[in-house]
Amino acid sequence: AQSVTQPDIHITVSEGASLELRCNYSYGATPYLFWYVQSPGQGLQLLLKYFSGDTLVQGIKGFEAEFKRSQSSFNLRKPSVHWSDAAEYFCAVGLEPGTASKLTFGTGTRLQVML
Amino acid sequence: DAGVTQSPTHLIKTRGQQVTLRCSPKSGHDTVSWYQQALGQGPQFIFQYYEEEERQRGNFPDRFSGHQFPNYSSELNVNALLLGDSALYLCASSRAGQVGIGANVLTFGAGSRLTVL
Repeated sequence: AQSVTQPDIHITVSEGASLELRCNYSYGATPYLFWYVQSPGQGLQLLLKYFSGDTLVQGIKGFEAEFKRSQSSFNLRKPSVHWSDAAEYFCAVGLEPGTASKLTFGTGTRLQVML
Repeated sequence: DAGVTQSPTHLIKTRGQQVTLRCSPKSGHDTVSWYQQALGQGPQFIFQYYEEEERQRGNFPDRFSGHQFPNYSSELNVNALLLGDSALYLCASSRAGQVGIGANVLTFGAGSRLTVL
């Protein structure tokens, strides 16, 4: 069964600093990869997704992620964090078409931004 | 364009009771999935409904059941509630027939927070 590991439970950065959130997955083939963000009291919002092609994908709110097959990683980055980015971030893995909607999520990384 | 709407927002139940949660998918979506998010955890897949049938199911007991109506809305029912059922229940919708990356893109609702005492 596939699994997702987000090794950092909690990260604190200063506003304006760069950010990298780690995500590693375990799966026999290249899965669909996602990053979602969840603000308090809100549902999950899709930041970006990857299946194939260019390994560097751009998302909303200035986020990007890089897929590294050799490391089974899909790390999320942002060059300059804003206070409004404080939230919980989830990496998720999906399988091939035909099993849509069944995503496996990591346990999340809570981002705190210092002003 | 309304996204995914869920009701109720919050509810409190006692052990042994039954609960029903409701979800209206995003306009144009016909597939509904339910996830359970326990405190401090990532969401876990419960099941998926398409064409009024359960298509996939995660590792949840039969106490968890669902239904999808002809208008694509859905209900999640949990019987014989346990303390461990306390969680945020998220509904997500998508459109079937999508190929490639589109097949896996979900729109989530804000969730229903269930507390079992």
